[in-house]
Amino acid sequence: AQKVTQAQTEISVVEKEDVTLDCVYETRDTTYYLFWYKQPPSGELVFLIRRNSFDEQNEISGRYSWNFQKSTSSFNFTITASQVVDSAVYFCALSGSYNTDKLIFGTGTRLQVFP
Amino acid sequence: DVKVTQSSRYLVKRTGEKVFLECVQDMDHENMFWYRQDPGLGLRLIYFSYDVKMKEKGDIPEGYSVSREKKERFSLILESASTNQTSMYLCASRRDRGAVDTFGSGTRLTVV
Repeated sequence: AQKVTQAQTEISVVEKEDVTLDCVYETRDTTYYLFWYKQPPSGELVFLIRRNSFDEQNEISGRYSWNFQKSTSSFNFTITASQVVDSAVYFCALSGSYNTDKLIFGTGTRLQVFP
Repeated sequence: DVKVTQSSRYLVKRTGEKVFLECVQDMDHENMFWYRQDPGLGLRLIYFSYDVKMKEKGDIPEGYSVSREKKERFSLILESASTNQTSMYLCASRRDRGAVDTFGSGTRLTVV
C-alpha cells in the first residue's frame, strides 16, 4: 500500500526563520514520483516540485530546497528565511509507476509565518 | 496560462438535494480528477476520468457519481446530499501519466 505521512500538523515561525516540513512515504514501487504542493488561503493547490525515484539529487529553487533520501523514505522541504507570504498549507504527495493516475496525499502541514 | 475552473466557490445545499459540481479545463488534458479535502485527512480521491465517457472510482466514491460528456468538462454529482458531504471539493486535470496536476480553486460545499 502507498502512504504519505506529514507528522507536523501546524508550524508557526517568525519571519526570516528557516523551517523544514517533513514528509515520509511508503511504497513498494521501485519507480515513483514525489510532489510538493502549496495551498494558500485562496484554496488552489500550487505545484512546487516533482521528483522521480531515480533522482536523489537535492534541489534548490530560490528560498526553497528539497532533501530526498530513499534510505529513510523521506522528502523534506525547507524554506529559508521564511516570509509572511509563505503562510499556507503544504501537501506532500506520491504516485507510483503502476498507478500513476492516482496521487496519494499526506494530511498537510499548515505553516504560519508571523511578521 | 493553463486553467481549471470550478463553477462555484461556495455552495449551500439542503439534505437530500441533488448537487452538481462543475469543473472545466482549457488545456485539452486527458485526465481529470475530483478530490475532497477535509481537515486532518488531506485530499482524498473520489473519482477520476482518463477519457471522455470513461470514469474510474477513487478511494471514496460512495455517495457520488461523475459525468464526462466532453473532454474539457468533468462533473461531480451528489445524488442525495448528506451533511457528511460538507467539504471542500477540488478538481484537477493532468495531461498524461507522470505529468503535473493543475488544480482548480475549489468549491466549499455546505449541506444543511
